[in-house]
Amino acid sequence: EAGVAQSPRYKIIEKRQSVAFWCNPISGHATLYWYQQILGQGPKLLIQFQNNGVVDDSQLPKDRFSAERLKGVDSTLKIQPAKLEDSAVYLCASSPRFLRGQNTGELFFGEGSRLTVL
Amino acid sequence: RKEVEQDPGPFNVPEGATVAFNCTYSNSASQSFFWYRQDCRKEPKLLMSVYSSGNEDGRFTAQLNRASQYISLLIRDSKLSDSATYLCVVISETTSGTYKYIFGTGTRLKVLA
Repeated sequence: EAGVAQSPRYKIIEKRQSVAFWCNPISGHATLYWYQQILGQGPKLLIQFQNNGVVDDSQLPKDRFSAERLKGVDSTLKIQPAKLEDSAVYLCASSPRFLRGQNTGELFFGEGSRLTVL
Repeated sequence: RKEVEQDPGPFNVPEGATVAFNCTYSNSASQSFFWYRQDCRKEPKLLMSVYSSGNEDGRFTAQLNRASQYISLLIRDSKLSDSATYLCVVISETTSGTYKYIFGTGTRLKVLA
């Protein structure tokens, strides 16, 4: 079974430029997550989709970050304009819809997109 | 207060040692609990789920204490290959009825030869 695919793996941009990351989750997974992981910290949830609807974007800096999952499959995360503090790894993850007691609740991560803002 | 808290370490231990990590969570209504492992420059991967009754997988034992709101991970007979960051993960139900996964900062373990 194919895993979560992300691209690009690496991106270097200057501050105030824009960047977009793409994610294709595991086939059939209803839930898709974008996490930001800054060096030395745990992953921080930016946005969570259930099919093509947003269920949590409370920690997404909406003045500069946007994300969409138009057809309930793949997703794009955009940053515009980028700031130095956006340098991080952007992890996409997917899971089947969590049903307590009915599945493992495991999150499946892609390899991440490493962003460096100069 | 952070929703999920861990000691970031690093924990430097010799091969063969036993090491334990703890993690505390603030939401008493949290539903499920996990330990994930993250190798340097890699993505997190599920290590094991955590149950109140405790569960064991080889050299790894996980335990949940709901009353005190903490979970633990014990690694016996540490191997060099155990060197990684161990992330505590808590699933909590949101007000909209969905579930979100909250990660701790992670505890870094380095096993020394």
